[in-house]
Amino acid sequence: GQQVMQIPQYQHVQEGEDFTTYCNSSTTLSNIQWYKQRPGGHPVFLIQLVKSGEVKKQKRLTFQFGEAKKNSSLHITATQTTDVGTYFCAGYGAGGTSYGKLTFGQGTILTVHP
Amino acid sequence: EAGVAQSPRYKIIEKRQSVAFWCNPISGHATLYWYQQILGQGPKLLIQFQNNGVVDDSQLPKDRFSAERLKGVDSTLKIQPAKLEDSAVYLCASRIAGRTDTQYFGPGTRLTVL
Repeated sequence: GQQVMQIPQYQHVQEGEDFTTYCNSSTTLSNIQWYKQRPGGHPVFLIQLVKSGEVKKQKRLTFQFGEAKKNSSLHITATQTTDVGTYFCAGYGAGGTSYGKLTFGQGTILTVHP
Repeated sequence: EAGVAQSPRYKIIEKRQSVAFWCNPISGHATLYWYQQILGQGPKLLIQFQNNGVVDDSQLPKDRFSAERLKGVDSTLKIQPAKLEDSAVYLCASRIAGRTDTQYFGPGTRLTVL
C-alpha cells in the first residue's frame, strides 16, 4: 500500500535557526497537504500543493512539491517558539490501489529552544 | 463557524469492554473521517463517509470496530471488545466534499485501555 515517510523524526533548533522537514511517498500523489499539531492538540491544516514543482509561501514557511509529485518539503525560516509542534504531511494517492487514499506521514517533532 | 465536535474527550476502559465515540462535523460538510492516532505516529484513516455512505473502510478492523453515519450528519465509532493496542486518540475530521477542500479536525477522544 501507499507509504509516506517523513524525515527527520525529531528536530531541535535554537530560536532563529531554520528548519526543514522532508516527505517522501512510495507512490505518485495527486496532491499533498501539510498540517501542524501542537502538543496535546489536533492537526490543523496549513496548506495544500497540487501542481508538480509548486512552491507556496506563508510568511516564514515555504512549501514545495516535487517535480515527480512523490516528495515535498516544508522549510521554516528563523524559527520562533510558537513554531513548536509536530508537522505532518499527508498525500492523496494518484492512481492504482492508492487512488484517492489520504496517507499521513509519521510527522516531524520540532522543538525550539529560546 | 462552529468546528468539529467530539465527545467524550477522554475515556478509560478495561480491555474487553465496549466504547463509543461521537462526532458532529461542521454543518454542510458531506465528507467525514475517523482517524486513529497512536502516540508518536501520524493519523491513520479508519473510515471515510460521503454523506451516509462508506467510501473507504479498508483499514477499519471490522472484527471489533464499527462506524455509522445514519442521517449523513453525526457519526459514531464503536469498539467492541477493546484491546490494549486500541489505546490512542480517535480523531474525527470533516470537509465540504472535494479532495482539494480543507479537512478540519475535531479535538479528538483520548482512549486508554487498561
